[in-house]
Amino acid sequence: RKEVEQDPGPFNVPEGATVAFNCTYSNSASQSFFWYRQDCRKEPKLLMSVYSSGNEDGRFTAQLNRASQYISLLIRDSKLSDSATYLCVDSGNTGKLIFGQGTTLQVKP
Amino acid sequence: EPEVTQTPSHQVTQMGQEVILRCVPISNHLYFYWYRQILGQKVEFLVSFYNNEISEKSEIFDDQFSVERPDGSNFTLKIRSTKLEDSAMYFCASRGLAGYYNEQFFGPGTRLTVL
Repeated sequence: RKEVEQDPGPFNVPEGATVAFNCTYSNSASQSFFWYRQDCRKEPKLLMSVYSSGNEDGRFTAQLNRASQYISLLIRDSKLSDSATYLCVDSGNTGKLIFGQGTTLQVKP
Repeated sequence: EPEVTQTPSHQVTQMGQEVILRCVPISNHLYFYWYRQILGQKVEFLVSFYNNEISEKSEIFDDQFSVERPDGSNFTLKIRSTKLEDSAMYFCASRGLAGYYNEQFFGPGTRLTVL
């Protein structure tokens, strides 16, 4: 089983839509998780940390379900500028980040 | 806002040559990392570095690779004898002690092309 698994997409949505991405992880001992955003041929940029209680930052909401080893990212009111690849990341126990393959989002006008 | 910087942005080299990729982490950060991303693939961990020594390294980080912090600001990755399969984007990242959730910040990357 892959350490971090994501549906690669692409997800094609119209502006203003709500879109959700899911991710599963294999290490039940992992403590912290992140969503990073990566634009084409650029560096990953931290979007948000994922807390056990769930957290929200503007139009973005992240949820963690430890029992199912499942992480989600919800984007409301999609903008054209949200088009990117969204990387689910397991922080593991040792400091290294373990990345998923990424989910590609295309927001259309 | 402080940021991680990397040079060069693009390096082209012949197979078998040595390359040194340079990074300047965020100034008050103490943990440093190298990752790589082969075109079309996921970001992969190479090595972590703390207190002037390697904390952890992946299977990719064999004896052709080395890291160094030669002074108080630079963090370098050396590949002694490059192979075609070393062609990738190489990202440096850093983290400060305050990052309980291990939030790492990435530089813009060096695109390495081995011919």
